[in-house]
Amino acid sequence: AQTVTQSQPEMSVQEAETVTLSCTYDTSESNYYLFWYKQPPSRQMILVIRQEAYKQQNATENRFSVNFQKAAKSFSLKISDSQLGDTAMYFCAFMKLSTGTASKLTFGTGTRLQVTL
Amino acid sequence: DTAVSQTPKYLVTQMGNDKSIKCEQNLGHDTMYWYKQDSKKFLKIMFSYNNKELIINETVPNRFSPKSPDKAHLNLHINSLELGDSAVYFCASSNQGRDTQYFGPGTRLTVL
Repeated sequence: AQTVTQSQPEMSVQEAETVTLSCTYDTSESNYYLFWYKQPPSRQMILVIRQEAYKQQNATENRFSVNFQKAAKSFSLKISDSQLGDTAMYFCAFMKLSTGTASKLTFGTGTRLQVTL
Repeated sequence: DTAVSQTPKYLVTQMGNDKSIKCEQNLGHDTMYWYKQDSKKFLKIMFSYNNKELIINETVPNRFSPKSPDKAHLNLHINSLELGDSAVYFCASSNQGRDTQYFGPGTRLTVL
């Protein structure tokens, strides 16, 4: 079974600064995806970024980028130029690409990020 | 033009009642999911359907019964509600069960 660990329950960053959220995972699979989802106070689960395990290049989406270290099973999220709207709970998630017809997401426990003025 | 919608968004009910949550997606996906987020914000898969067929059925009490009338809809019916069923329930969908999952807005269920 896969496990996802987020060791930082809470973090704080000042507006315009950069912050990195940590995530490690444990799996014996070789074919999988990793995700970061954001859950603001509105409760909506919003996809931030996706990384395919077979890709060596780290994924980026505007101010969001990841540091994917496959051998170390580490998948951190870097948020640059933090904005007040980035205040949210951030979840790291793992998805094994199964040979069946549905793959579930396994989530970490989340990191609550507060962006301050 | 909401991609994944759920109704209702809030549900308050008494112990022992039966309730349903509905989910619809207009993304053309063929796979749909139910996740439960507990009071500590932990998210866990409950069920998954692909083209109306049950694919994933995690260890969930049989008081929970999903139903998929077509690949765009997935409903969750809960019998004999208990206090411990209080949570946020999220519906999600993806393409071919192997792609990014997109979530609905969630339904906050409170059992009194």
